[in-house]
Amino acid sequence: SYDLTQPPSVSVSPGQTASISCSGDKLGDKYLCWYQQKPGQSPVLVIYQDTRRPSGIPERFSASNSGNTATLTISGTQAMDEADYYCQAWDSGPHVVFGGGTKLTVL
Amino acid sequence: EMQLVESGGGLVQPGRSLRLSCAASGFTFDDYAMHWVRQAPGKGLEWVSSIRWNSGTIGYADSVKGRFTISRDNAKNSLYLQMNSLRVEDTALYYCAKRGSGETLWTFDLWGRGTLVTVSS
Repeated sequence: SYDLTQPPSVSVSPGQTASISCSGDKLGDKYLCWYQQKPGQSPVLVIYQDTRRPSGIPERFSASNSGNTATLTISGTQAMDEADYYCQAWDSGPHVVFGGGTKLTVL
Repeated sequence: EMQLVESGGGLVQPGRSLRLSCAASGFTFDDYAMHWVRQAPGKGLEWVSSIRWNSGTIGYADSVKGRFTISRDNAKNSLYLQMNSLRVEDTALYYCAKRGSGETLWTFDLWGRGTLVTVSS
């Protein structure tokens, strides 16, 4: 089965840039997306097709995917961005895989 | 407004069964593949199962294969998950999720709020 690896936690100061990585074998060959999940809430899609933002997602969210690593970048991080972030890709056929999640702390 | 509403969760003893339902509204249900995703307390997201729009292709995570069965009734705009031989480790919040289309095909673009399943003696 396919695995996606994320760091368990990332810390960032308000106004600074946060980077969250997601790694997997030949990940750049797959379409990757990212979800944000705040406590007690359902996940929300923040990036799709590697780099694209759904409507309503702030421009400070951006991402890349190449080789074996994808990166979610939040520029000018705000307190409201504190959340868990998950990367997700499709494995073979109908199977889906999530990364283990990264807790972003803004302090 | 597009919406997914899960139901059917509860407290169940190990080895017993439970059936989850997901009611869809606000979109053409039978145009989309649907999935179940779960989240154990304090843990990450885990994909559980998927079903194509016409029930033609079905997939399961190894952790539930042979015990869980996904199904759908397009006439009722509903998705189901029959869970048998439940284990303590199946305890989780179970989300119903809609697969996207077009540019968002490789995502889940709509999630329900989840229904909690607790397996305990």
